[in-house]
Amino acid sequence: KNQVEQSPQSLIILEGKNCTLQCNYTVSPFSNLRWYKQDTGRGPVSLTIMTFSENTKSNGRYTATLDADTKQSSLHITASQLSDSASYICVVSAGSTDKLIFGTGTRLQVFP
Amino acid sequence: GAVVSQHPSWVICKSGTSVKIECRSLDFQATTMFWYRQFPKQSLMLMATSNEGSKATYEQGVEKDKFLINHASLTLSTLTVTSAHPEDSSFYICSTDRGRETQYFGPGTRLLVL
Repeated sequence: KNQVEQSPQSLIILEGKNCTLQCNYTVSPFSNLRWYKQDTGRGPVSLTIMTFSENTKSNGRYTATLDADTKQSSLHITASQLSDSASYICVVSAGSTDKLIFGTGTRLQVFP
Repeated sequence: GAVVSQHPSWVICKSGTSVKIECRSLDFQATTMFWYRQFPKQSLMLMATSNEGSKATYEQGVEKDKFLINHASLTLSTLTVTSAHPEDSSFYICSTDRGRETQYFGPGTRLLVL
């Protein structure tokens, strides 16, 4: 069964600190993996997208990694800001149809 | 990147009424749009794929007669929740997919059925 699991479910950090969010997937065949940021009451916004051959991709303070062998991905946020408070969703695209499998997300709260 | 808008951003209606939600692709001609539903603290669930000029494709368990989708132009898809009930209260989000690039999501429409 195609699944995407994220951990932790929620995370609280202080402004300026770094954090890492985890994503494990059992999706086959794999097409690509995406990280989205979703603010409360808003639609998701794309942060990164990685194909099988890419093992790291950065977007500003966000750096995503992908280990296709272990089927794991991480999203590292550097020097967190209050505006980073949001849900972060890992999404894996499956096969030739690019069907998206969504993780349940990690709720990040950054406090001053 | 593509910009997707939704209207209305929120709506409150009485049980039994119908509600129409619009999804517009502002700078991209979208032959395909996707409709998702998201309940509190849960992830997005794909409801249906809207195809311009043809019938929508619904995911298993989604009632096509209850959730009417019309994709009459390359920039507009509509989702009509017919005879809405309180259990239909949710956050509805549309998106477009520019080929194999990342999907661009709309800002969402929050529906509350009383």
